[in-house]
Amino acid sequence: GDSVTQMEGPVTLSEEAFLTINCTYTATGYPSLFWYVQYPGEGLQLLLKATKADDKGSNKGFEATYRKETTSFHLEKGSVQVSDSAVYFCALRRGGADGLTFGKGTHLIIQP
Amino acid sequence: EAGVTQSPTHLIKTRGQQATLRCSPISGHTSVYWYQQALGLGLQFLLWYDEGEERNRGNFPPRFSGRQFPNYSSELNVNALELEDSALYLCASSPFGGADTGELFFGEGSRLTVL
Repeated sequence: GDSVTQMEGPVTLSEEAFLTINCTYTATGYPSLFWYVQYPGEGLQLLLKATKADDKGSNKGFEATYRKETTSFHLEKGSVQVSDSAVYFCALRRGGADGLTFGKGTHLIIQP
Repeated sequence: EAGVTQSPTHLIKTRGQQATLRCSPISGHTSVYWYQQALGLGLQFLLWYDEGEERNRGNFPPRFSGRQFPNYSSELNVNALELEDSALYLCASSPFGGADTGELFFGEGSRLTVL
């Protein structure tokens, strides 16, 4: 079945550091890929998505590129802020089927 | 436009009792999904409803059940509560068919505590 693997953390960085959170997936066909973010005490919000190979999703300074050859969708940000502290979930969804398959989430802590 | 709304925000029950959680999807969305977020286990898919029908369920026992109403709102019922059912239960909605962009829209969740 489908699965998503991501580093679980916690990942602790200083403000303005470069961020990479790795995500790899296993799925049949051509899934859409997503990064969701969960701020403390809140539900999940879509951060960015990519629907086909080589697409780059971007939002709020975060980027991720759909790499079919390596089945990866790594999340990057050039300069993190304290307000980026949250749990980040990588997810996939095959077209028209079911819902999202999530990774276990990466807890990101940004220190001033 | 109102987002996905869930109630109650918090619910405390004791072992063996039943819990009912409710979800109202975004207007125009026909699909509703339920996820369990237990500590350390990430998000586990529970149930998917569309047009009043259960379309799929995750690897959970039958005491987890639900339904979808004609107005597309949904209920999740958990019978014979166990301590390990303590979790945040998230509801999400999406359009179905051609309007589906792949994104799920999540509510803020219902926190169930079983004592």
